[in-house]
Amino acid sequence: DVKVTQSSRYLVKRTGEKVFLECVQDMDHENMFWYRQDPGLGLRLIYFSYDVKMKEKGDIPEGYSVSREKKERFSLILESASTNQTSMYLCATLQGASRQPQHFGDGTRLSIL
Amino acid sequence: KNQVEQSPQSLIILEGKNCTLQCNYTVSPFSNLRWYKQDTGRGPVSLTIMTFSENTKSNGRYTATLDADTKQSSLHITASQLSDSASYICVVSDGGSYIPTFGRGTSLIVHP
Repeated sequence: DVKVTQSSRYLVKRTGEKVFLECVQDMDHENMFWYRQDPGLGLRLIYFSYDVKMKEKGDIPEGYSVSREKKERFSLILESASTNQTSMYLCATLQGASRQPQHFGDGTRLSIL
Repeated sequence: KNQVEQSPQSLIILEGKNCTLQCNYTVSPFSNLRWYKQDTGRGPVSLTIMTFSENTKSNGRYTATLDADTKQSSLHITASQLSDSASYICVVSDGGSYIPTFGRGTSLIVHP
């Protein structure tokens, strides 16, 4: 069965900290995505990667960076966490031409204090 | 600007009843449309995906329809169950980028 695993379900960090969110997939999919989900706003794309070491900005990349050193792993980095980055973060994968994520992880609920 | 509007925002129905959720979009050019179900505290799960040439697709008790002329889609749930309580999200792609347009979802509550 398809699996997208996010390293933490809940995370609490302080403002100014550097925060790493990890995502691992076991499907050998080329494309991986990071979204954030906020009440009333829906899902918004932060970054995506279509291959190892390749990345593209989504709708809201400011304050974030990503790393994809191996095909199965896609990391989201909050360079200096701020309270407005408190949110649910979802990782997803895609194989094929639909341009929409197929499989999501269960999310990391991140609180920045 | 590409937009996806879902209605209603929330819906409460009794177990066993049918319901229909709506998705209107202005995405152009249209490539495909996907419906997701998201349980509380979980990631979204894909229910159906439709391209321009498809106007109906089913997944068990879920049936999605697409009218590309009027730019409308609906998700019909038959004989609802308590486990159908979730948020349902419509997503539309224009085929040109990896940034699809998400609707804000419809929250469905099924009461016993």
